[in-house]
Amino acid sequence: QSVLTQPASASGTPGQRVTISCSGSSSNIGDNTVHWYQQLPGAAPKLLIYSNTQRPSGVPDRFSGSKSGTSASLAVSGLQSEDEADYYCAAWDDRLTGPVFGGGTKLTVL
Amino acid sequence: QLQLQESGSGLVKPSQTLSLTCTVSGGSISSDTYSWSWIRQPPGKGLEWIGYMYHSGSTSYNPSLKSRVTISVDRSKNQFSLKLNSVTAADTAVYYCARGFGVLIISRFDPWGQGTLVTVSS
Repeated sequence: QSVLTQPASASGTPGQRVTISCSGSSSNIGDNTVHWYQQLPGAAPKLLIYSNTQRPSGVPDRFSGSKSGTSASLAVSGLQSEDEADYYCAAWDDRLTGPVFGGGTKLTVL
Repeated sequence: QLQLQESGSGLVKPSQTLSLTCTVSGGSISSDTYSWSWIRQPPGKGLEWIGYMYHSGSTSYNPSLKSRVTISVDRSKNQFSLKLNSVTAADTAVYYCARGFGVLIISRFDPWGQGTLVTVSS
């Protein structure tokens, strides 16, 4: 059972916009920034969004992040086949005094 | 460009000690801006933070693993290491090393090593 809650799966057709949610509590998302990681099949996770909304250099602007209260969201617009991957949210947890991850969302491009 | 590479035994017997090393290239492990982390992923499951070492040499561990984990650094080799003792099958996972941004509150990890699969089996 992960501290941060994500839907197990999400899907969309090429060109569509898909959002993935990440739900937490006041001790993690409510009080700290959220980061998102993309894990392509067979690969290591890669930082996709940091500090709620920031994209590292090289990440397409089709990916965007937002946060409100104790929840955060990752949006992928103009969905492409290469976006098919697992996506994880992460945040610091004040109670656990360590970083916590969501259980991951498998994004399928139909 | 900073790169991290894990190395170590891929097969460990139950009750023994798992030992892994992460070699950092393209940057110094002694930077005071970053921490150096271990994260694992059981097959088909999500990510679990194991612990990290700050540039000062102090460490922080996941409370669920704290009694069994040691992270240490060898600055002369630009490496940091993980030891997990008394392993069981539940410790079977891909182990990643990663650079953490920040000093005290760290959940932003970039980049990550490619990961190494450690199987606990007799």
